[in-house]
Amino acid sequence: EAAVTQSPRNKVTVTGGNVTLSCRQTNSHNYMYWYRQDTGHGLRLIHYSYGAGNLQIGDVPDGYKATRTTQEDFFLLLELASPSQTSLYFCASSGRGSQNTLYFGAGTRLSVL
Amino acid sequence: GQQVQQSPTSLVLQEGENAELQCNFSTSLNSMQWFYQRPGGSLISVFYNPSGTKQSGRLTSTTVIKERRSSLHISSSQITDSGTYLCAMELWSNYQLIWGSGTKLIIKP
Repeated sequence: EAAVTQSPRNKVTVTGGNVTLSCRQTNSHNYMYWYRQDTGHGLRLIHYSYGAGNLQIGDVPDGYKATRTTQEDFFLLLELASPSQTSLYFCASSGRGSQNTLYFGAGTRLSVL
Repeated sequence: GQQVQQSPTSLVLQEGENAELQCNFSTSLNSMQWFYQRPGGSLISVFYNPSGTKQSGRLTSTTVIKERRSSLHISSSQITDSGTYLCAMELWSNYQLIWGSGTKLIIKP
């Protein structure tokens, strides 16, 4: 069974704070993704990666950095968090970029006060 | 730009009724995927369906590329089917997924 684990599950921070969201997959997948989900917007891609050390920019990258340290681990960094980044964040993995389904983590709910 | 329109936005049914969810897309695509999301929960792949019809239990997905649409049919709905269903289309150009905003399905006893 494909597994994607996110941590923390919930996070509260203040405006200007630093936040790191972690994601680990044990699927041996090459591709990993960070999405945010907001009411009325569906899922929006922030960053993705197709291997360790690789980073690709998604559709809404402003205010976010990401780093893929290993094939298993993908991190999302908010260095100066703003209230507009309050959202539900999902990490996902897939075996390849095309014609392959995604496996999602349980999500991290982030509140920026 | 690329768009995926899901309808209806929400749907309330009595247990046992059938549900029909639609996705329409405005550009050429490589495939269509359907996901299920529990309230406040993660997303689970329901169907990967590039074209034609696929069935899994009470769920049936039909994708018609030429007509730029995909549907998800749930027969004899159950309370546990409640949640949000999202479709996502995969672009030919870069294989990225473009997501619909979802259909919130509520099944009442």
